[in-house]
Amino acid sequence: EVQLVESGGGLVQPGGSLRLSCVASGFTLSSYSMNWVRQAPGKGLEWVAYIYTSGTTKYFADSVKGRFTISRDNAKNSLYLEMNSLRDEDTAVYYCATHSGWYAYWGQGTLVTVSS
Amino acid sequence: EIVMTQSPATLSVSPGERATLSCRASQSVSSNLAWYQQKPGQAPRLLFYGASTRATGIPARFSGSGSGTEFTLTISSLQSEDFAVYYCQQYNNWPPWTFGQGTKVEIK
Repeated sequence: EVQLVESGGGLVQPGGSLRLSCVASGFTLSSYSMNWVRQAPGKGLEWVAYIYTSGTTKYFADSVKGRFTISRDNAKNSLYLEMNSLRDEDTAVYYCATHSGWYAYWGQGTLVTVSS
Repeated sequence: EIVMTQSPATLSVSPGERATLSCRASQSVSSNLAWYQQKPGQAPRLLFYGASTRATGIPARFSGSGSGTEFTLTISSLQSEDFAVYYCQQYNNWPPWTFGQGTKVEIK
């Protein structure tokens, strides 16, 4: 069974940092490009970051460019999102998802709350 | 950036009735469009990709159609488990990959 499990969310003050992790099971992570997608409370879905299978190509939404970094460790079947200089508007559930253009498999999400 | 616009924002439908959801792109996305269903407290679930290719396990009462800038998701006979929020997403011009704002299908 394909499974993605995110962790690392929590409460952080504005300007703080957080590192999210996503561990894959039931498939080989290295076969897929991967994404982070977020959803603010009561709002819609927003693509955040993309990373190619090998990690050589990365893209970021303008709203997080320069503050967030995406990385992966295929040997550990893991995906990461390093978030710095966090703002109130970064408060959201963060999902990792496989990328084939569309998002076939999603994790259950991890909540990040940015508040003082 | 391609802007995806969904209508209506909320659709009130009785169980057993047909529901038709629309998604419009600000420029052509060919058939590079996906649909997702999201229930409260759950992750989105892929319904369609390629505008009309049903994902694994999606019931036949769901159908997707359209190309270019106009797309439709149809649920032929609404079941209780179909009341949810539905999102479209384009993957033709990227980055960014963009979603519509969602259509909530609620019980009438």
